[in-house]
Amino acid sequence: DAGVTQSPTHLIKTRGQQVTLRCSPKSGHDTVSWYQQALGQGPQFIFQYYEEEERQRGNFPDRFSGHQFPNYSSELNVNALLLGDSALYLCASSLGGGLQETQYFGPGTRLLVL
Amino acid sequence: AQSVTQLDSQVPVFEEAPVELRCNYSSSVSVYLFWYVQYPNQGLQLLLKYLSGSTLVKGINGFEAEFNKSQTSFHLRKPSVHISDTAEYFCAVSEYNNDMRFGAGTRLTVKP
Repeated sequence: DAGVTQSPTHLIKTRGQQVTLRCSPKSGHDTVSWYQQALGQGPQFIFQYYEEEERQRGNFPDRFSGHQFPNYSSELNVNALLLGDSALYLCASSLGGGLQETQYFGPGTRLLVL
Repeated sequence: AQSVTQLDSQVPVFEEAPVELRCNYSSSVSVYLFWYVQYPNQGLQLLLKYLSGSTLVKGINGFEAEFNKSQTSFHLRKPSVHISDTAEYFCAVSEYNNDMRFGAGTRLTVKP
C-alpha cells in the first residue's frame, strides 16, 4: 500500500519563475492538504482540497494556487517566485475532508529559489 | 486567530528518563489539538490528537498528552524515552476546523 508520494524531490528555480509540485494521496484517501515548512520552523498550512475544490485556506497570497484531479491527486502552483518561497513543501492526505481527520504526510519537495 | 507556542526549542534527556514537551495555544473558541513527530529526512507523523471528550489522550509509541482548557495547554509526555524517540516534535491547533497552526517545534535528543 503506497503512502503519500510527492514529486519532484528537489527543485531549483529563479525569482519570477513559476513552479508546479505534485502529490499523490495514500490509497483510499480523498483529501489533500499542502504545507510550507521553512528551514527550522514548523509547517504552515497553505490550503486543503476535497472533492476537487479548495475547502480551507491559510494565510497565503493568491500566487499560491492548487488543483485536485478526479483521481484525488493534487498540484500546488506558485507564481512569481520570491526568494522567501524557498522551503520544504509538504503534502498530506486524509479521508473525508476537514482538518480534524488524521493526515498522512509525504516526504516533501524541497524548493530553492535563487 | 489561533497561535501555538512551544516553550522549549530543545530538550535533552537521558534514555529511560521521563520527558514532557510543553505546548500552549491561544484561542477564544473550541479547537482541535495535535502532536506530530518528524524524524530526520522524513515527513510528519501524527502521534495523537484531541478533538473532544476525555482530556487525557493516548497516542502511539507510548506518548500521551493532556488538554487543559483553563491553562490553554496541551503538553506531551512519555514516562520512559528511548534513543529512537530522538526527533523534532510539533504541536498544532486547528480552530473551527479552519486553518492549522503549528508551533516552531521542539528538538528532543535522547542520550545513552
